[in-house]
Amino acid sequence: DTEVTQTPKHLVMGMTNKKSLKCEQHMGHRAMYWYKQKAKKPPELMFVYSYEKLSINESVPSRFSPECPNSSLLNLHLHALQPEDSALYLCASSQVAGSGISQPQHFGDGTRLSIL
Amino acid sequence: GEDVEQSLFLSVREGDSSVINCTYTDSSSTYLYWYKQEPGAGLQLLTYIFSNMDMKQDQRLTVLLNKKDKHLSLRIADTQTGDSAIYFCAESPPYSGGGADGLTFGKGTHLIIQP
Repeated sequence: DTEVTQTPKHLVMGMTNKKSLKCEQHMGHRAMYWYKQKAKKPPELMFVYSYEKLSINESVPSRFSPECPNSSLLNLHLHALQPEDSALYLCASSQVAGSGISQPQHFGDGTRLSIL
Repeated sequence: GEDVEQSLFLSVREGDSSVINCTYTDSSSTYLYWYKQEPGAGLQLLTYIFSNMDMKQDQRLTVLLNKKDKHLSLRIADTQTGDSAIYFCAESPPYSGGGADGLTFGKGTHLIIQP
């Protein structure tokens, strides 16, 4: 069982819809991440939050809007998506690095998103 | 730049040992990871090794790190049908100023178990 919970597990939406993906962790981690994974490919980093502040945006289109309302929650707001945005969206969390040492990331099971 | 390379497929017989290999390029990597992904699921952190270690063993899993050659391997002893999955090697750089950074993944090795 994963300690990072993502909802919904599956989402089908039209190109004009607005929806949100949610991620929750109760491990006390203060770094949270969004990754996108296309079929048969490795995950690709989208956003990183550290202490609830956005620290990395990997040039993601503005139709994806992340939000970190508190240290346990991470949202990804979706609007006007394109068919090529269909993918598995993975959330991860970790402790924030100390003394220059990155910390292991723990992943949720993902939300499988299909854009019609 | 960072690059992580893995073979795409490995086929082994049930009960044999599986050895999945990975090479990486960033000599400043701090942790190196192995993740397992079953069909339709997320990534499960299997094990990880700190860059100043040579070996780590955890039940059926053995990780070997050759830092000079930038080579990482994962050995699964007594491979079972439940081990069938895609295995991703990943590295993390030393953190940037924000205290967290993304992982760089290999393309993944699909482990196929023959009866």
